[in-house]
Amino acid sequence: GAGVSQSPSNKVTEKGKDVELRCDPISGHTALYWYRQRLGQGLEFLIYFQGNSAPDKSGLPSDRFSAERTGESVSTLTIQRTQQEDSAVYLCASSSSYGTGGNQPQHFGDGTRLSIL
Amino acid sequence: DAKTTQPTSMDCAEGRAANLPCNHSTISGNEYVYWYRQIHSQGPQYIIHGLKNNETNEMASLIITEDRKSSTLILPHATLRDTAVYYCIVRVAGSGGSNYKLTFGKGTLLTVNP
Repeated sequence: GAGVSQSPSNKVTEKGKDVELRCDPISGHTALYWYRQRLGQGLEFLIYFQGNSAPDKSGLPSDRFSAERTGESVSTLTIQRTQQEDSAVYLCASSSSYGTGGNQPQHFGDGTRLSIL
Repeated sequence: DAKTTQPTSMDCAEGRAANLPCNHSTISGNEYVYWYRQIHSQGPQYIIHGLKNNETNEMASLIITEDRKSSTLILPHATLRDTAVYYCIVRVAGSGGSNYKLTFGKGTLLTVNP
């Protein structure tokens, strides 16, 4: 079946511009996650959506970052007034929440590679 | 989450089994063992997970020792496309706390050679 889809796959923009990244999770997955991965580094948690619960935004690095999710489908991550340090791969993952949350694997998209000039 | 230790790198011949070890000596009774991999320029890919019984799926087998302090991921017939960094992590079951935040260590770079 279809996996997690992210768009665009690559984005190059000038410093100071706003960017919007999109994630289509696996159908039926109620949990959605955004991560950031800098070159050669590990995963950095950004935000977590679970159904109608309030999202966990604790990983967003500044107020320039925001994310929305429409119901249990598409999510968008918006970065305003981009800075060069925002350059990274932004990864989206989704998981089923059936049963206990901790043992449901997260399935990732291939990310959006963001480059700020 | 408990800490895991993996070798930095391993080599495997194409068509042979790749056996990737992971030590998790401080694992708790309610922690699962998960394996992911990341192929260059792609997102992490879930492989398999288990609690205490051995598990097998279409991608791999997971062998967990009886004391649960270590595990081995087995790719039965490695191909060139299996070249990737493999991550072993342990995570608490249940939706409490923030155990949904995945973090990867350094992992094992598996190179499958022709």
